[in-house]
Amino acid sequence: AQKITQTQPGMFVQEKEAVTLDCTYDTSDPSYGLFWYKQPSSGEMIFLIYQGSYDQQNATEGRYSLNFQKARKSANLVISASQLGDSAMYFCAMGAAGNKLTFGGGTRVLVKP
Amino acid sequence: DGGITQSPKYLFRKEGQNVTLSCEQNLNHDAMYWYRQDPGQGLRLIYYSQIVNDFQKGDIAEGYSVSREKKESFPLTVTSAQKNPTAFYLCASSAGQLSTDTQYFGPGTRLTVL
Repeated sequence: AQKITQTQPGMFVQEKEAVTLDCTYDTSDPSYGLFWYKQPSSGEMIFLIYQGSYDQQNATEGRYSLNFQKARKSANLVISASQLGDSAMYFCAMGAAGNKLTFGGGTRVLVKP
Repeated sequence: DGGITQSPKYLFRKEGQNVTLSCEQNLNHDAMYWYRQDPGQGLRLIYYSQIVNDFQKGDIAEGYSVSREKKESFPLTVTSAQKNPTAFYLCASSAGQLSTDTQYFGPGTRLTVL
């Protein structure tokens, strides 16, 4: 069975600073993908970034980067130069066997001006 | 514009009634999914479909039903057998059928049972 754990229920970050959101996972499948989604107060889930288990380099997408440490089974999201619009819930998810995504419980980020 | 649409945005239901939530995509994606989100929690998979006329149960399928008669459409019916249906429902689609394919989400439907 797959499991995703996000241990930070909420955090504050100062505008223009970087923030790291933690995500650890557990799976026995050798092939899997890790995803991060942003959910603003409107409710929609916005795809941010993807990391495949066989990817050698950490994924980056604009201000988002994924710190992938396979041996530690962690896939932390780093948001650089935080903006007020980054205030939202952030979910880590894993896709593995069975064509299903397993989601973590989420981390709420509030960016202070 | 390509994307996923869900309707209605808000839905109110009396106990004992069945309701159907709409999900349409024009991304030409093969796979579609329904998730449920309760307050302060992550998403849980209800049903998914990898191809027209075929679908599989997810983790919490009891009290729900789906159909996939067209590639673009994947409606979800919340039946009276669902004991606690008040939740936020999200539909998603992906181009491929692998769990490593990125899923893109619609704006969601918020269902409240009165």
